[in-house]
This record gives sequence, structure tokens and C-alpha cells, in this order.
Amino acid sequence: EAGVAQSPRYKIIEKRQSVAFWCNPISGHATLYWYQQILGQGPKLLIQFQNNGVVDDSQLPKDRFSAERLKGVDSTLKIQPAKLEDSAVYLCASSLGGGQAFFGQGTRLTVV
Amino acid sequence: GQQVMQIPQYQHVQEGEDFTTYCNSSTTLSNIQWYKQRPGGHPVFLIQLVKSGEVKKQKRLTFQFGEAKKNSSLHITATQTTDVGTYFCADTGGFKTIFGAGTRLFVKA
Repeated sequence: EAGVAQSPRYKIIEKRQSVAFWCNPISGHATLYWYQQILGQGPKLLIQFQNNGVVDDSQLPKDRFSAERLKGVDSTLKIQPAKLEDSAVYLCASSLGGGQAFFGQGTRLTVV
Repeated sequence: GQQVMQIPQYQHVQEGEDFTTYCNSSTTLSNIQWYKQRPGGHPVFLIQLVKSGEVKKQKRLTFQFGEAKKNSSLHITATQTTDVGTYFCADTGGFKTIFGAGTRLFVKA
């Protein structure tokens, strides 16, 4: 079974630039999550989708972050403009409705 | 807002010693999931606990859910170097999965 695919694996950008991350969940998984994991901390939920609808985005900094899940499958997370404190690993995960979450390898973002 | 606290933050053990990490909440937890994240890796699901007082075992790992569903624990018997990593608990109530900060385990051979 194919896992959760994320790209790119690494990204280095300058502050105030924009960046986008892509996630392809496991086929058939209706729930998709984006997490931000700062070094040494636990994953912080940014946004959760159920199919193509948003379940929770209370911790998403909406002035600079946006996410979409067109057609309820792939998802993109965008940051514009990036700040130094956005340096983190961005993890995408999917599940069959609130059960076990399967994580992708993550995208390591460095903002300089 | 909803918070899940984990203690300790770090634990150093000698190989063969036992290890326990605790997950606590001021509110009733819905379901508890435990994940392990190896250094440089991504979280990998270990187990889910649903019922009050539930105890589950996976080889040397024992997972417990408190009677009041406000705490949970993961105990590793006779740690091995392969147990190194960060262990996270997550509350999966209300269709949201909220992670604790994790306990990082160091095992010295």
C-alpha cells in the first residue's frame, strides 16, 4: 500500500518569500491533516480536512498560511510571506475518519 | 483550549532499564493514540486506547488508559537501543487529533 506522499522534502527560502507544499494522502482516506513540527516539539495541528471541507483551522495563521484540498484528494499548503519562525517540518497525515493517522516524510522548511 | 501534557520531557536510561511516559489532560480524553518518532523520522502509530481503564500490550510495551480517561501511560520494559526516539500521545476527540509535546527517550548501551 502506498503511503502519504509529500514534496518537496526540503526547502530553503528567504523571509518574505512564498512557498508551497504538496501532499497526496493514502487512497480512500477522507481525513487529511497538516501539522507543523518545530524542532524539539510535538506536531501542532494547522488544518484538518474531511474530504474537501475544513473541519478545523483554528491554529492556522490565516494572514499568511492557506491550504486547500481540491476534489478531496491532494492538498497544498502555502505560506506567503514566510517568516523566520516558520522554519519547521511540515507534516501531512491522512486517516480513515479519526482513526490511526499515517504520516508522510514531511517537508523541512528553512527560512533565512 | 484543549491541551495534552506529557511528562517527562526527556528520559535517559541504561539499556535494560524500564521507561514510562505519562500523558495528562485537565479534561476528559476521548481516545488516546500513541506514536513513536525516530530521530529524523515521522510519527508512526503504535496503538489506540478507547475504553476507561483499558490496558494493551505490544511485546515490551504496555499502554494504559486511566479510569477517569484523563491520563494515559506508556511503559517499556527492559529498554533496547532500538527504543530510542520521541513518544507522543494524541487525543483524538471531536475529529481532531491533538498531540502532546512528547517524551524523548535516550538509551545508553
